[in-house]
Parts: sequence; structure tokens; C-alpha cells
Amino acid sequence: DTEVTQTPKHLVMGMTNKKSLKCEQHMGHRAMYWYKQKAKKPPELMFVYSYEKLSINESVPSRFSPECPNSSLLNLHLHALQPEDSALYLCASSQVILAGGNGELFFGEGSRLTVL
Amino acid sequence: AQSVAQPEDQVNVAEGNPLTVKCTYSVSGNPYLFWYVQYPNRGLQFLLKYITGDNLVKGSYGFEAEFNKSQTSFHLKKPSALVSDSALYFCAVRTGTASKLTFGTGTRLQVTL
Repeated sequence: DTEVTQTPKHLVMGMTNKKSLKCEQHMGHRAMYWYKQKAKKPPELMFVYSYEKLSINESVPSRFSPECPNSSLLNLHLHALQPEDSALYLCASSQVILAGGNGELFFGEGSRLTVL
Repeated sequence: AQSVAQPEDQVNVAEGNPLTVKCTYSVSGNPYLFWYVQYPNRGLQFLLKYITGDNLVKGSYGFEAEFNKSQTSFHLKKPSALVSDSALYFCAVRTGTASKLTFGTGTRLQVTL
């Protein structure tokens, strides 16, 4: 199984809503990532989890709250978002670099978020 | 610090002709280089990678890339383009033990009949 599964595929929310994006992989990867991608732009790293612990936070606003409940799951909790947060949110996984991984990322299809 | 540059926003090529999508990198240390492709409203799909070894790397869908250390380049190539190759292509680099993969700005490939 070489898939990273993201749900939902599309999400529309108001600025006062609370919602979550979910990501799941069963490749035994212990590094998981959240990226944000605006139209026609490269993905921008938001968070990295390594062995279920947050290892990188790229100065992301606190209205985005990541969670890694186990080695297969990664969530992104959303609260009080702004319209400019509308984007494609990509989840990815990889082997941990320090455990011999080469950094190849396996991406999900993304969750397209629209904030009204 | 690590960075990667894709100098062309768009590359146009006729079907059946060879294509090249350019990428140059800047790292301190040995680079790990990757190419990804993205179709509209989809996630990124891995094409190929250079870690070590042969400078010519072969990947998915007939794509290949050549690692050139002296020119710090990793250009993506295909001998004969297909209309279905039309997509957004990203070059990416990592170095050392850094978890962060740095992406280029992307090149849109348009293949026409």
C-alpha cells in the first residue's frame, strides 16, 4: 500500500467554524507532513511530525492546530480561519531521515479548503 | 541553506518532440534531488530522485534527469513528449539530515498536437 489518504476532498467553512482535515498512511512511515498550496504556487511546509512528535512548525498561525494521534494518522484542526487560508492542503509521509530515509515524500490528493 | 530554481514558468513543446524542464540547486553539502508532477486539482506525484550514484536517473512515465554537479543542475527530460504530459512540474532538494524538502516555483509544461 503506497497511498496517503486525505479526507475530506473538499471543505467549505465559515470563519467561526471548527473543522478538521484527516490524513492516513499505512506505509510504516514515521514522518508526516502538512503542506499548504495556493493556486499555481509550490507547496509550503507547515508542520513536520517525526515519531508522532512535532519537529517542525514553520511559524504557522495558531488557528491551525496539528495532531498526530498515532503513527498512521495526522490531523489538522481548523478554527477561526480567514478567507486567505483558502488553499489546497496536502498531507505527505516519508521515512524518517535519521533512520536512513532519503526524504522522498508520498503525497495525498489534498483537501481543498474554502473559507467564506 | 538550500534552494532550487526553475527558471521557466512555462515550457511549450509539440507532441513527439523532446522536452527539457530546467532546475538548478544551491546547497551546502550533498544534494538529494527530486522531481514531482502535479495534475490539476491533484496531489503531487513522485517522478524520480537522485541520491547518489549514476548521474542519469530514470523515472516514471519515460522521464529521466541528469545530475550535473559542476553546473548544479538537475534538468528533467523526455525523448518524446505526449499531450498527457501536460502538467505542473516541481523540482525539490534536500540536504543532510534536514527533514524539509524545498520546492522550486514550478514549471508548467504544455504539450500540443
